[in-house]
Amino acid sequence: EVQLLESGGDLVQPGGSLRLSCVASGFPFSNYAMSWVRQAPGKGLEWVASISGSGSDTFYTDSVKGRFAISRDKSRSTLYLQMNRLTAEDTAIYYCTKDLEVAVTTVFAYWGQGIPVTVSA
Amino acid sequence: EIVLTQSPATLSLSPGERATLSCRASQSVYSYLAWYQQKVGQAPRLLIYDTSNRAAGIPARFSGSGSGTDFTLTISSLEPEDFAVYYCQQRSRWPRTFGQGTKLEIK
Repeated sequence: EVQLLESGGDLVQPGGSLRLSCVASGFPFSNYAMSWVRQAPGKGLEWVASISGSGSDTFYTDSVKGRFAISRDKSRSTLYLQMNRLTAEDTAIYYCTKDLEVAVTTVFAYWGQGIPVTVSA
Repeated sequence: EIVLTQSPATLSLSPGERATLSCRASQSVYSYLAWYQQKVGQAPRLLIYDTSNRAAGIPARFSGSGSGTDFTLTISSLEPEDFAVYYCQQRSRWPRTFGQGTKLEIK
């Protein structure tokens, strides 16, 4: 059974940093691309970033380029999202997702339960 | 950026009825369109990808159709557990984008 367990969410001040983690199990981690998708309170879904199964290819939405970094650790079966220079607009539930295949297709086949990030003074 | 517009915003139907949800893209996304279901307090779930392919474990009452800029998700006979918010998503161009959602509520 595919399981994605996010952690690292917190209340952080504007301008601060946070690192989200997502521990994956139930499938060969390196064989699948992974992504982060977020949902602001009461709003719709927004794709944030994606990484290929090998980790060699990464993609970001414009609003987080230069501030966020997606990465993965094969040995730990863990996906990360390093978030810097956070603003109130980054407040959201962040979902870890598993892709359909090793290349980044951004078909979000499985989702974690989500982790809240709140940016506020 | 490709804008996806879903209609209607809210759809009120009864169990057993047929639901038809629409997603229109601001430019062609070819067949690269997916549908997700989100229930209150839960993570989204993939229903359909690449217009008409059902994801693993998705019942046959869910079907997708369309191409280019106009797409439809059809639920042939609504079950009580189908009342939720539905999102479409394109993977044709970067950045990947979602529609604003259609809320399917019990009439």
